[in-house]
Amino acid sequence: GQNIDQPTEMTATEGAIVQINCTYQTSGFNGLFWYQQHAGEAPTFLSYNVLDGLEEKGRFSSFLSRSKGYSYLLLKELQMKDSASYLCAVRYNTNAGKSTFGDGTTLTVKP
Amino acid sequence: DVKVTQSSRYLVKRTGEKVFLECVQDMDHENMFWYRQDPGLGLRLIYFSYDVKMKEKGDIPEGYSVSREKKERFSLILESASTNQTSMYLCASLRQLGGNQPQHFGDGTRLSIL
Repeated sequence: GQNIDQPTEMTATEGAIVQINCTYQTSGFNGLFWYQQHAGEAPTFLSYNVLDGLEEKGRFSSFLSRSKGYSYLLLKELQMKDSASYLCAVRYNTNAGKSTFGDGTTLTVKP
Repeated sequence: DVKVTQSSRYLVKRTGEKVFLECVQDMDHENMFWYRQDPGLGLRLIYFSYDVKMKEKGDIPEGYSVSREKKERFSLILESASTNQTSMYLCASLRQLGGNQPQHFGDGTRLSIL
């Protein structure tokens, strides 16, 4: 299979920094997406990585290491509205360009 | 902005009924997807369509069928609904497979089968 592993739950404090990890099988890797999903709402796109390194978008950054099969989403200056589920999705050459989703990480931001 | 619209946010049906979930996208995307989302199981692909009248089974197609008669509309059909199909159903669209564009999701349909 193409197991994608993320922690199930994380808790952090408002104003802090949190890192959400995602590991995946490297064979056939062809891109990784991060989505945010608030409870009862649609997932929305946060970031895309296909080459090694860090992609920064305001308070959110995403990192990829292809050789290690590892990515993380870094959220800085946490706000209460960042409480949501964060989904890691990996695209494989063997899956005709479709993405396989991890189970998601539920982040709770506390005051 | 891409808009993906699912016909119902909440739906309650009875065991054995035939159930239709509708999804429409307004950006002329080639690809459309139906997922179900369950606690602890993440997003699982039910069916995928890459063109009008073209479809491909996903990871969990059993008990479902789909229809794509027009490019903008992708329907999910539960032929004979069962209680284990109670779930959140998400539709998504995507312009191009393999590119750097993300999928665009609808708001979901929370379906309860009694």
